[in-house]
Amino acid sequence: GAVVSQHPSWVICKSGTSVKIECRSLDFQATTMFWYRQFPKQSLMLMATSNEGSKATYEQGVEKDKFLINHASLTLSTLTVTSAHPEDSSFYICSATRQNTIYFGEGSWLTVV
Amino acid sequence: KNQVEQSPQSLIILEGKNCTLQCNYTVSPFSNLRWYKQDTGRGPVSLTIMTFSENTKSNGRYTATLDADTKQSSLHITASQLSDSASYICVVSGSSGYALNFGKGTSLLVTP
Repeated sequence: GAVVSQHPSWVICKSGTSVKIECRSLDFQATTMFWYRQFPKQSLMLMATSNEGSKATYEQGVEKDKFLINHASLTLSTLTVTSAHPEDSSFYICSATRQNTIYFGEGSWLTVV
Repeated sequence: KNQVEQSPQSLIILEGKNCTLQCNYTVSPFSNLRWYKQDTGRGPVSLTIMTFSENTKSNGRYTATLDADTKQSSLHITASQLSDSASYICVVSGSSGYALNFGKGTSLLVTP
């Protein structure tokens, strides 16, 4: 079964609204989770590293105020896309590591209309 | 169901030795296959990407092969270094490029 769960799998929102995506480690604690995005036919791109109990670390070029990350517990990290625009439409995926094995969430498709 | 299976799950080798990681997939239709390296606590870094028509692609000491007929890929690491210790992830994309199918990774440890 799934080890890392993402929700929702699909979301459509109106331009200007905010969308929250959850990433949960189901049967283990993850002090660090990673958030990625992928544009069509592009490689996976790391957006940020989510650290439990502290601020997330963002990759260069990723707007902190645009993509809010909250890692309030050892099993949950959330990514909130604020004031979403059509160019934010993408595939977002998280991952967590347990015992040296990388587990990815199923991914979340965001479409901003 | 589209699946990507990697083997072995973990591997320990001596510095300087070669090793080969395997990736078998059932993704169809197929678009491309990527190998990523992920150091502990960091995001994955792309090593190679291969499309249907490509059989071999190299990136320094990393050489990836692809047999689209048998749906198998391998990642060969030559003259391993301590810095090669990491997890290696195989990711297969479906025809649209959107659908990502991830392997669980092979954890490689290179020892002195």
